Amino acid sequence: LAKTTQPISMDSYEGQEVNITCSHNNIATNDYITWYQQFPSQGPRFIIQGYKTKVTNEVASLFIPADRKSSTLSLPRVSLSDTAVYYCLVGRPNDMRFGAGTRLTVKP
Amino acid sequence: DVKVTQSSRYLVKRTGEKVFLECVQDMDHENMFWYRQDPGLGLRLIYFSYDVKMKEKGDIPEGYSVSREKKERFSLILESASTNQTSMYLCASSPGIQWGPYEQYFGPGTRLTVT
Repeated sequence: LAKTTQPISMDSYEGQEVNITCSHNNIATNDYITWYQQFPSQGPRFIIQGYKTKVTNEVASLFIPADRKSSTLSLPRVSLSDTAVYYCLVGRPNDMRFGAGTRLTVKP
Repeated sequence: DVKVTQSSRYLVKRTGEKVFLECVQDMDHENMFWYRQDPGLGLRLIYFSYDVKMKEKGDIPEGYSVSREKKERFSLILESASTNQTSMYLCASSPGIQWGPYEQYFGPGTRLTVT
């Protein structure tokens, strides 16, 4: 089971790009990297998932280097509503664990 | 849209009571999960089920049991509630693929207080 390490908290300002990096040194060959977002009093919500290189959707990009030992979630031009906890998960469908996550605070 | 519903948003129970938390999903997903979330600890997996009547222990199964008699429903049972089980409980479901990309869909959570 791949262990993940991510910063406990980050601050940013509205309009900035935010990059949150997750380390997962013991990622296995078949593991996928998934990021979730959680607002207070709600369940986590899927943001993006990737296996290698770069993945982009309408809300975020995920950068994965060739060795796959880390990944970076990139949120372009954040707003106050992006204030949330962001979780990085690594593993296979029945073998993933949530860590403590990164608390992102976006300031005006 | 996938919908995962949980029977209660808030629940208050007394120490020693038997507590049932119900979760229902409407997407015909094979996998269902129960987590608890406590400040500073993130989400911790209690149990999961990959098929009807099947269950697997997660990281913190002590003091809990589960039941999955129908594919769409996954119940978490606290046989004798204790104050250290006061927490937010989250249910999730996902398709039953073995490899490849997938995501878990979460319910709104049940905040349980044991007094």
